[in-house]
Amino acid sequence: DTAVSQTPKYLVTQMGNDKSIKCEQNLGHDTMYWYKQDSKKFLKIMFSYNNKELIINETVPNRFSPKSPDKAHLNLHINSLELGDSAVYFCASSLGNVLTFGAGSRLTVL
Amino acid sequence: SQKIEQNSEALNIQEGKTATLTCNYTNYSPAYLQWYRQDPGRGPVFLLLIRENEKEKRKERLKVTFDTTLKQSLFHITASQPADSATYLCALGRYSGGGADGLTFGKGTHLIIQP
Repeated sequence: DTAVSQTPKYLVTQMGNDKSIKCEQNLGHDTMYWYKQDSKKFLKIMFSYNNKELIINETVPNRFSPKSPDKAHLNLHINSLELGDSAVYFCASSLGNVLTFGAGSRLTVL
Repeated sequence: SQKIEQNSEALNIQEGKTATLTCNYTNYSPAYLQWYRQDPGRGPVFLLLIRENEKEKRKERLKVTFDTTLKQSLFHITASQPADSATYLCALGRYSGGGADGLTFGKGTHLIIQP
């Protein structure tokens, strides 16, 4: 069973479009995250949620909106996509200090 | 600003030798430090955690040291194997009680073990 699963794995879209990435974890963890890994492989936190409540919102354009319908799900919606949004987006969850990551969703904006 | 530096972008080691990776940080007081492994096209996978009051941790062929005075962690893989080839990420956390503060990651060191 996949612990943290994200869909889609690949996403290619045009500038200006709106897209969503979904994430689900079956570990029973209370906290979920979105991280962005850019072309230089730098992994940076975007958001974290604890029991459906937003805890961290780093300096991210408000075109990015996370939504957590329940503590097992954290989705990421992106409006008006820009070229610079191209990256790999990782969902993760944690119980305590250790993170379990999904396999990543590679977003390419043309 | 907070900064985490890992020793090089790529490190080539001969099979059987010990690989040593470095993580240095500035403007940060971490409660703990973690190492993750990332393979191409995959998410990072947790390897080891060491707390600020610990000097060394071991797990099988892996060893981590943590020097809060030098603001440095060393990550060792003994008897290295080609299967150890991957990118290794250092990550710092501020709060020892867990919680949702997340981790701050370094850029990683790409380790290549040559047969």
